[in-house]
Amino acid sequence: NAGVTQTPKFRVLKTGQSMTLLCAQDMNHEYMYWYRQDPGMGLRLIHYSVGEGTTAKGEVPDGYNVSRLKKQNFLLGLESAAPSQTSVYFCASSSILLAYEQYFGPGTRLTVT
Amino acid sequence: AQRVTQPEKLLSVFKGAPVELKCNYSYSGSPELFWYVQYSRQRLQLLLRHISRESIKGFTADLNKGETSFHLKKPFAQEEDSAMYYCALHSQGGSEKLVFGKGTKLTVNP
Repeated sequence: NAGVTQTPKFRVLKTGQSMTLLCAQDMNHEYMYWYRQDPGMGLRLIHYSVGEGTTAKGEVPDGYNVSRLKKQNFLLGLESAAPSQTSVYFCASSSILLAYEQYFGPGTRLTVT
Repeated sequence: AQRVTQPEKLLSVFKGAPVELKCNYSYSGSPELFWYVQYSRQRLQLLLRHISRESIKGFTADLNKGETSFHLKKPFAQEEDSAMYYCALHSQGGSEKLVFGKGTKLTVNP
């Protein structure tokens, strides 16, 4: 099992450009999450999904959109990137019964210039 | 509101010394508390949970409801313990979310 995978690993964008981060999990988990990790700010939840076709806002959703068209995939989109979105992005997944045990991906390091 | 506070951004100890990473929480109900760890170049992973009362890699953590704390302790730190540690709170009742603290970076010096 690959667990949780993220694509790409690194990306540099110019302000105003758009991109999509892909997260995939092969554990048949119902729940999926997108976090951003910034120095001194810890992990902050951007959006999450409790099942295929459903998404919800987390703590810092502005500037991001998500979609969960398939149970195993969770996409995070940046429509118009801003320097404030420079961060490391982590995807995670968990089962319904053990929602507290989240499995994390390796992260995507995004730089917006 | 649910909140997790880790007062130390950085913590540095020498190998063999005791280490305690502090975590305080704010939650009106009965919380479930966890410690996650991120070693260098590795994924964030669950280290331990209060409900199991287990010791993982020599670390223990006791939930103190009176002090609303869940400090992580190890009597003799090792260099391989150097990592980023996050305390997390999960509200009972089927919540799908975790609330993370801001993390403490532990460095164990030789």
